[in-house]
Amino acid sequence: GDSVTQTEGLVTLTEGLPVMLNCTYQTIYSNPFLFWYVQHLNESPRLLLKSFTDNKRTEHQGFHATLHKSSSSFHLQKSSAQLSDSALYYCALSDGGNYKPTFGKGTSLVVHP
Amino acid sequence: EAAVTQSPRNKVTVTGGNVTLSCRQTNSHNYMYWYRQDTGHGLRLIHYSYGAGNLQIGDVPDGYKATRTTQEDFFLLLELASPSQTSLYFCASSDGAQGEDTQYFGPGTRLLVL
Repeated sequence: GDSVTQTEGLVTLTEGLPVMLNCTYQTIYSNPFLFWYVQHLNESPRLLLKSFTDNKRTEHQGFHATLHKSSSSFHLQKSSAQLSDSALYYCALSDGGNYKPTFGKGTSLVVHP
Repeated sequence: EAAVTQSPRNKVTVTGGNVTLSCRQTNSHNYMYWYRQDTGHGLRLIHYSYGAGNLQIGDVPDGYKATRTTQEDFFLLLELASPSQTSLYFCASSDGAQGEDTQYFGPGTRLLVL
């Protein structure tokens, strides 16, 4: 079946430094949708950004990610971390075939002054 | 934006108790999902449905039943609750159009099984 791997369970950064959260996936479906969801403390997850197109950069709220089918990756990046970016981030995959999304285990991002 | 509501928001029950969690979405989405969220495991899919009367098995279905009575309403049933089912439960919905299923999450229900 499908799988999503987020290698870091916890990332701790100083404000102003760049952010990179890793996401790789496995699926037999050739046209997957990849998503990043963000969940702030005591809130529910919400969509941050998504992509379907190979090698196209997707941006939202200062974050960006590029789907690379050749390496099965969809890493989340931001040039300069802010305190308000502290949250739990989930990478997720949808293969469009059975509408059964697959989530990674999540990466907790902590940004300190 | 999609509106998904859940009730109750908090629930305490005892081992062996009977619990029903409710979810309603008001955006005519076809798909609805139940997840549990636990530290170290992230979001795990329990059951999902693509329409009234339909039920699909998720990744962690043991100990849970679900029923989709209408397009709007999706229920999660724990008939013999156990402490291992203490968790934060999220309901979500998605349109499912063109193979893309952005998940719209409800506010969550915290369940404690004593």
